[in-house]
Order: sequence, then structure tokens, then C-alpha cells
Amino acid sequence: AQSVTQLDSHVSVSEGTPVLLRCNYSSSYSPSLFWYVQHPNKGLQLLLKYTSAATLVKGINGFEAEFKKSETSFHLTKPSAHMSDAAEYFCVVGTSGTYKYIFGTGTRLKVLA
Amino acid sequence: GAGVSQSPSNKVTEKGKDVELRCDPISGHTALYWYRQSLGQGLEFLIYFQGNSAPDKSGLPSDRFSAERTGGSVSTLTIQRTQQEDSAVYLCASSPRTGMDNEQFFGPGTRLTVL
Repeated sequence: AQSVTQLDSHVSVSEGTPVLLRCNYSSSYSPSLFWYVQHPNKGLQLLLKYTSAATLVKGINGFEAEFKKSETSFHLTKPSAHMSDAAEYFCVVGTSGTYKYIFGTGTRLKVLA
Repeated sequence: GAGVSQSPSNKVTEKGKDVELRCDPISGHTALYWYRQSLGQGLEFLIYFQGNSAPDKSGLPSDRFSAERTGGSVSTLTIQRTQQEDSAVYLCASSPRTGMDNEQFFGPGTRLTVL
């Protein structure tokens, strides 16, 4: 069975400083992993996805994530936070069979001026 | 192009009433998913459609919940005899094809409040 664990429910950073949102996964086979962002009162938007082509994945708005099989991690990073990055971020694993998503519990990112 | 749309955006109902939530997927997308986002439960899968058939209904929380999809397009999620614990945001997503690595495109959701 697949699962994802987001290690922090809340993260606060100052504008212009790096962002690190942590995600660990569990999967019995090579997983497909995604990061989605949800701004207040908005729908979920895909930031990036890992599908085994490359371990370092670049996404939209300057975000990237590195797949580390040895650590079963897929942490999301951004070199410099912007106020508009304040949102909730979800780490997601795709499943085989019906391909439904399994979501992590989310990390709410706060960006301080 | 148009994204996934859902209606209504907000629904307030009284306990015991039935509600219908609608999802219009992106044209041509064969896979359609319903999820529920609630406080304390996070985002959880409800049901999956491939075309008009639903091979996975494992996430439906009770027999009060049902869903159908017609013409390989619009889907309706029906909740009968609503309870307060049904209050949540119901999200619909579609995907152009099935596959573990396929992106799902999400609608804005329907916020259901059961009084």
C-alpha cells in the first residue's frame, strides 16, 4: 500500500528566504509523486510531478523537488520565498489499479514580510 | 480551454435532506475522480469513473452516498439524508487517461454545509 507523510503541518519563513516542505512516502513499487498547491478559496494546482524520468524535478513558480529513494523522501524546495507562495501544499502519491491519489495531510506555508 | 467546473459552489442544507453535486470534467477526459476535503480528515478519495463505469467505489463512506456519470462526461454525486458529518468541500478531478503518473485536474469544489 502507498502512503505519504508530510512532516510539518505549518511552516513559516521570511520573504526572500528558502522554503523546505518535507514529504516522506511509502510504496511497494516505484512511485509517482506529486506536489499540489491550494491557495485560499482556490482549486488544487499541480506544482510538479516525479515519474522516474529524473530525480530532480523542476516545477512552476521556482519550486523543485528531489526524489531520494534511499531516504524515501520527496521534499519540496524554493530558493527564495515570495508573499504569493503563502498557501497549503499537498504531497501526493499515485496508486496503481485505479490511479487514485493518496494525499498527505498538507503543510500550510506562511510567508512573513 | 475550460477547466473542471463544479456546481453549486456552495450548498447549505438541513440535516436529512438530499443533495446533488455536479461535476463537468475537461472535455475528452476519460477518468473522473471525486474527493472530499474535511477538517480532521484531510483529502480523501471517494469514487473513480473510467468512462461511465465506476470500478472503484471504495471511498464512499456509506450507502447514503452514490454517484453516476453519463455520456462519459458529467458526473453527479448524490448524498441522501445528509448528516452534519457530511459537511466538507467536495472536489472533482479529471484526467485525460488512466495511469499512475497522470496529472489530475481539479475543480474549485463544492462547499457543503449541513445544518
